[in-house]
Amino acid sequence: GEDVEQSLFLSVREGDSSVINCTYTDSSSTYLYWYKQEPGAGLQLLTYIFSNMDMKQDQRLTVLLNKKDKHLSLRIADTQTGDSAIYFCAERTEGYKLSFGAGTTVTVRA
Amino acid sequence: NAGVTQTPKFQVLKTGQSMTLQCAQDMNHEYMSWYRQDPGMGLRLIHYSVGAGITDQGEVPNGYNVSRSTTEDFPLRLLSAAPSQTSVYFCASSFQGRGNQFSPLHFGNGTRLTVT
Repeated sequence: GEDVEQSLFLSVREGDSSVINCTYTDSSSTYLYWYKQEPGAGLQLLTYIFSNMDMKQDQRLTVLLNKKDKHLSLRIADTQTGDSAIYFCAERTEGYKLSFGAGTTVTVRA
Repeated sequence: NAGVTQTPKFQVLKTGQSMTLQCAQDMNHEYMSWYRQDPGMGLRLIHYSVGAGITDQGEVPNGYNVSRSTTEDFPLRLLSAAPSQTSVYFCASSFQGRGNQFSPLHFGNGTRLTVT
């Protein structure tokens, strides 16, 4: 996933908001995704945004897309211990294929 | 629906051995793919298939073979395992819906492979 970049680690206190950032390079991306991976498990789709949208909200999750800067963020409100996981940003550039970032490991501390 | 099922969950191989990682999906998805996950590198695409009888290479195909004889199954073969192939392998599937919309990828739970 060299075309998609995200920071590797984030530590947040329980109850605070988490913000995970991602940059991508392909301006023709149609959809951008956030996946969550819990220890020992596969990737689970959290949310996604179409490229003609600026924002999408889904309960505690808010996705912001800045197409000009090719920047995507995921905000998790009221972060809980169950939110500790690896979060992957991914872009759809060509047909079925997705390109993934390296993943951000989020640690929630009490 | 079981979704995407991968077997085995864990495998240890010696250098030079061969093996097949199994992947099956019961959602009638035409697209199936294999990724490997390595620390700090995210997921990298190994091989993919857009339908039975059709396969193609991803970004890291060397040392791996695939075939797609049925819609449901997409096995990944390691021909002669090397320590560099120690990784977690994920199979994922998808479909193209109405208006050429592609569904998100559905992932299996992964196979953790160690090559000594």
